[in-house]
Amino acid sequence: SYELTQPLSVSVALGQAARITCGGNNIGSKNVHWYQQMPGQAPVLVMYRDTNRPSGIPERFSGSNSGNTATLTISRAQAGDEGDYYCQVWDSSTVVFGGGTKLTVL
Amino acid sequence: EVQLVESGGGLVQPGGSLRLYCVVSGFTFSSYWMSWVRQAPGKGLEWVANIKQDGSEKYYVDSVNGRFTISRDNAKNSLYLQMNSLRVEDTAVYYCARYIRFFDSNNYYHPYFDSWGQGTLVTVSS
Repeated sequence: SYELTQPLSVSVALGQAARITCGGNNIGSKNVHWYQQMPGQAPVLVMYRDTNRPSGIPERFSGSNSGNTATLTISRAQAGDEGDYYCQVWDSSTVVFGGGTKLTVL
Repeated sequence: EVQLVESGGGLVQPGGSLRLYCVVSGFTFSSYWMSWVRQAPGKGLEWVANIKQDGSEKYYVDSVNGRFTISRDNAKNSLYLQMNSLRVEDTAVYYCARYIRFFDSNNYYHPYFDSWGQGTLVTVSS
C-alpha cells in the first residue's frame, strides 16, 4: 500500500516560514491535499490539488509538489497556525492520509 | 454557510451496534458524494466509507467492510453510518465530510474532502 511520510513535528519562530513535508514514491505524479486540525477541532481543508487555496484560507499558505516530496509552506507563521497538518492523496482505489505533523510556533 | 452536524456517538460494548447521523445544511446535499472519516484517540485520519449522490455506489475501507453500512436520505439532508459488530479498534471520533471527486484533464482521479463536521465520539469498551 502507498505510504505518505510526514515529520512528527515542525517548529518555527513567530513570523518565519514553516515548511511541512509529505513524502511518497513519485508523489509528484499525484494531487496532494492538505488539512489543518486545531486541538479538539475538526480538520479543515487548507490546500487542494497541490497549490489551490480554498476560500477563506490566507495567502500565507502555499503548496508545491514535485518528485517524491510535497510541501505545505506557511509564510509569516502566527500562533494561530499551531496544530496538526495532514497530507492526503488517492492511490490504489483508496484515500491515503499521512501520519500528520504537529506545527509549533515559537 | 456549509454545516455538517454529527450525532449518535457513545459508549458501546464490543460486538454491539451504533448508528451515526449527520445532518447537513448550506448546500445541495443531493448533489454531492459524502464520506465518513474517523480518528482514533491521539492518532491520524482514516477514511471509512463513501456514498454516491443517489446511494447507488458505496465504498468501504477493508477493516469495516461487511460490518458498517453507509446510507443517506436526501429528503432529510442526512447521512448515516450503521456500525455493527463493533470492535475496540473502532474507537474513534467519526467525522462526516463532503467528498469532492476531481478528475484532471487526463481523467486521473484526485478526490478530497472540502467540508467536515465537528465529529462524534464512538467508544467501544467493555
